[in-house]
Amino acid sequence: GQQLNQSPQSMFIQEGEDVSMNCTSSSIFNTWLWYKQEPGEGPVLLIALYKAGELTSNGRLTAQFGITRKDSFLNISASIPSDVGIYFCAGQRNYGQNFVFGPGTRLSVLP
Amino acid sequence: EAGVTQSPTHLIKTRGQQATLRCSPISGHTSVYWYQQALGLGLQFLLWYDEGEERNRGNFPPRFSGRQFPNYSSELNVNALELEDSALYLCASSRLVWDIYNYGYTFGSGTRLTVV
Repeated sequence: GQQLNQSPQSMFIQEGEDVSMNCTSSSIFNTWLWYKQEPGEGPVLLIALYKAGELTSNGRLTAQFGITRKDSFLNISASIPSDVGIYFCAGQRNYGQNFVFGPGTRLSVLP
Repeated sequence: EAGVTQSPTHLIKTRGQQATLRCSPISGHTSVYWYQQALGLGLQFLLWYDEGEERNRGNFPPRFSGRQFPNYSSELNVNALELEDSALYLCASSRLVWDIYNYGYTFGSGTRLTVV
């Protein structure tokens, strides 16, 4: 079935550093979403991407819809302690289908 | 606007028992999705309901079942509980969108199921 891969699996960074993570698939997707989950909570939508090559920002977060439509990238600039959490990508292959979620990237920010 | 609400927040059951988890979607959302998240792991897709019908099902045994009611709320039932069923069960809702600009799912805070 459809599968998304995320890398890195986990990362430890210093406060103030920039963060990059990606999500890849062997299949083409029409829509990419990025979610963040904090401990004990459900995932919260950060950014939605709808067109190949699209670059969208949400504050210090920037995400891109890969040109091949098989990948997506999330960058966080000037990380702060509250950025800690698990970041999930999700892709929708065709309109009306359910989204597939990646395994997540666990981010830890050291003060 | 009220978010996705799940109940109970925590549930402790004994192996072999049955568990029932409930979810109320955002007003106007017709689709409800259930995910299992074992400790430290990703989201495993369980079930998708829309307009009262099961639309898709993940790779889980038949003892995981559910339904959606006319008011679009949903129930997840887990029969013959096993220790490895211990997890956070997340419910999400969305509108069923057949074109671009699907804003994805809104998740509830989950039900923490512990099987002892």
